[in-house]
Amino acid sequence: QKEVEQNSGPLSVPEGAIASLNCTYSDRGSQSFFWYRQYSGKSPELIMSIYSNGDKEDGRFTAQLNKASQYVSLLIRDSQPSDSATYLCAVNQEYGNKLVFGAGTILRVKS
Amino acid sequence: SAVISQKPSRDICQRGTSLTIQCQVDSQVTMMFWYRQQPGQSLTLIATANQGSEATYESGFVIDKFPISRPNLTFSTLTVSNMSPEDSSIYLCSVDGGAITEAFFGQGTRLTVV
Repeated sequence: QKEVEQNSGPLSVPEGAIASLNCTYSDRGSQSFFWYRQYSGKSPELIMSIYSNGDKEDGRFTAQLNKASQYVSLLIRDSQPSDSATYLCAVNQEYGNKLVFGAGTILRVKS
Repeated sequence: SAVISQKPSRDICQRGTSLTIQCQVDSQVTMMFWYRQQPGQSLTLIATANQGSEATYESGFVIDKFPISRPNLTFSTLTVSNMSPEDSSIYLCSVDGGAITEAFFGQGTRLTVV
């Protein structure tokens, strides 16, 4: 069974701080990695994708990938209360287009 | 990204009945996926639906319980059959991004079985 592990949290950070969300995966052949944000009662929304080792920045979000360590992270700079949500890490399986999701990390940004 | 419309958005059903959920995409897509999200849990893939072929089900999910149709490249349905309270979940339709395996989701169907 291919697994994606996340700390369930909640992770609490003050407004304006950096929130750091982490994810590890077991399928060494995975090539695509995604972060989704899910507000309560809503469907997941894709916020970042990353495919190669290193950092990828998009606005206040930075995704970091280390395939050797099978580790992917999401940094949220200048955290806002509106960032409070569950963040899901998703990893594709080595073959095909199927994604495996982690259990999600609850982020709470306190104003 | 594709625009995905799912119907119904929510429903309350009696146990033993069936519910069909519809998923419409605004562009042609090769693969459509159906996920289940049980209360407080993450997403679990139920099956992959390709046009013109039988759906491929994940371990723990069977066609008799979750029959899927995929009549064309923009539409799919998932039926939850002979429902029990354990089927109370959010059911999500998603499509892939073409050459990239990112998934885009519809708004989901919140199902409560009483």
